[in-house]
Amino acid sequence: AQSVTQPDIHITVSEGASLELRCNYSYGATPYLFWYVQSPGQGLQLLLKYFSGDTLVQGIKGFEAEFKRSQSSFNLRKPSVHWSDAAEYFCAVGGGSQGNLIFGKGTKLSVKP
Amino acid sequence: EAGVVQSPRYKIIEKKQPVAFWCNPISGHNTLYWYRQNLGQGPELLIRYENEEAVDDSQLPKDRFSAERLKGVDSTLKIQPAELGDSAVYLCASSLDRWIGGATEAFFGQGTRLTVV
Repeated sequence: AQSVTQPDIHITVSEGASLELRCNYSYGATPYLFWYVQSPGQGLQLLLKYFSGDTLVQGIKGFEAEFKRSQSSFNLRKPSVHWSDAAEYFCAVGGGSQGNLIFGKGTKLSVKP
Repeated sequence: EAGVVQSPRYKIIEKKQPVAFWCNPISGHNTLYWYRQNLGQGPELLIRYENEEAVDDSQLPKDRFSAERLKGVDSTLKIQPAELGDSAVYLCASSLDRWIGGATEAFFGQGTRLTVV
């Protein structure tokens, strides 16, 4: 069955420090992978997506993610975190005829001054 | 261009009462999704529409939940009667095309936070 695992429930980083949020997936076919961000009281905003091609994808707000098929991973990175990045981040997998997004449980990011 | 619009943003009801949520997708988007997000969890699909047809409602608790998408545009999700465990955020999303090949993305509304007391 398809699934997404985000091993870290909560991460705290200092402002200006680098960030990596982990995501592992289980999917029987070629996965289409997404990272969404959710600020308090808001809906989900797409940060970036991977469909095919270059395995390093760039997104909005300075985020990037790398697809590693051998590790079934799609980790999200940012070289320098800003206080406004504090939010919850969701990795999702989808694609094919199923047509649905399957989300991980999310990682809450806190940023300390 | 307006995004996905949901109303109301917040709703508090007593258990056993009915409640309805409304969603207006992005203009021209044929596919509409309803997700439920429990506290501390990721969203989980309840139902997916292709135009006016419900093509995946396998996760919709049909004894108390119902949904409709008349004319293939706006959609309404209803719960009757509500239970304490239905407290969650209900998210609506839309995408331009159905997911054959998967090369499309879903846009989400701000959600309706339901509290059942």
